[in-house]
Amino acid sequence: EVQLVESGGGLVQPGGSLRLSCAVAGFTFSNYEMNWVRQAPGKGLEWVAHISGSGNTIYYVDSVKGRFTISRDNARNSLYLQMNSLRADDTALYYCVRGRGRISMFGMTTETPDAFDIWGQGTMITVSS
Amino acid sequence: EIVLTQSPDTLSLSPGERATLSCRASQSVGSHLAWYQQKAGQAPRLLMYDVSNRATAIPARFSGSGSGTDFTLAISSLEPEDFAVYYCQHRADWPRTFGQGTKLEIK
Repeated sequence: EVQLVESGGGLVQPGGSLRLSCAVAGFTFSNYEMNWVRQAPGKGLEWVAHISGSGNTIYYVDSVKGRFTISRDNARNSLYLQMNSLRADDTALYYCVRGRGRISMFGMTTETPDAFDIWGQGTMITVSS
Repeated sequence: EIVLTQSPDTLSLSPGERATLSCRASQSVGSHLAWYQQKAGQAPRLLMYDVSNRATAIPARFSGSGSGTDFTLAISSLEPEDFAVYYCQHRADWPRTFGQGTKLEIK
């Protein structure tokens, strides 16, 4: 069964740091791009960060550039989000989300859809004094 | 940044009726548009990708259309489990952005 399980959320003061983790199971992690998407309480969805399967290509939404760092450990089937200089507007439920993948079968490589096809249940970050 | 604007914000319909949800992009996203469904207290679920392709296990009553800047998600005959919030999202460029959502509620 494909599973994404986030952890590391909690209450943190403004200016503080947190590291989110996402443990992955049920698919070949290194073959898939991964993302973090957040949702503030009662609000819509906001894509936060993306990392390629190898970890070589990374993108961020402007509001977190220079403060957040996405990374992955393919040997541990884990995705991370290091969050520094946290602000009140970072308060949200943070989802670990699977993106496009590359699957090899019978000597051919195909890509899965470039969409957010599997979501974890999220971990809540509250930034408040 | 590409801005996606969904309409209406809220749609009130009865089970069995047809639902039509719209998503307009501030610039062309080609066919690079997806739709997600989110029920209260749950993570979003992928419904459609690349405008008109249903994701795994999505029933045929869901369909998508459009190209460029104007897109539609249609639900042919609403089932009780379809009442939820729907989001569109593009993959035409970075940053990926979502629409603000349309709440589909029971009339």
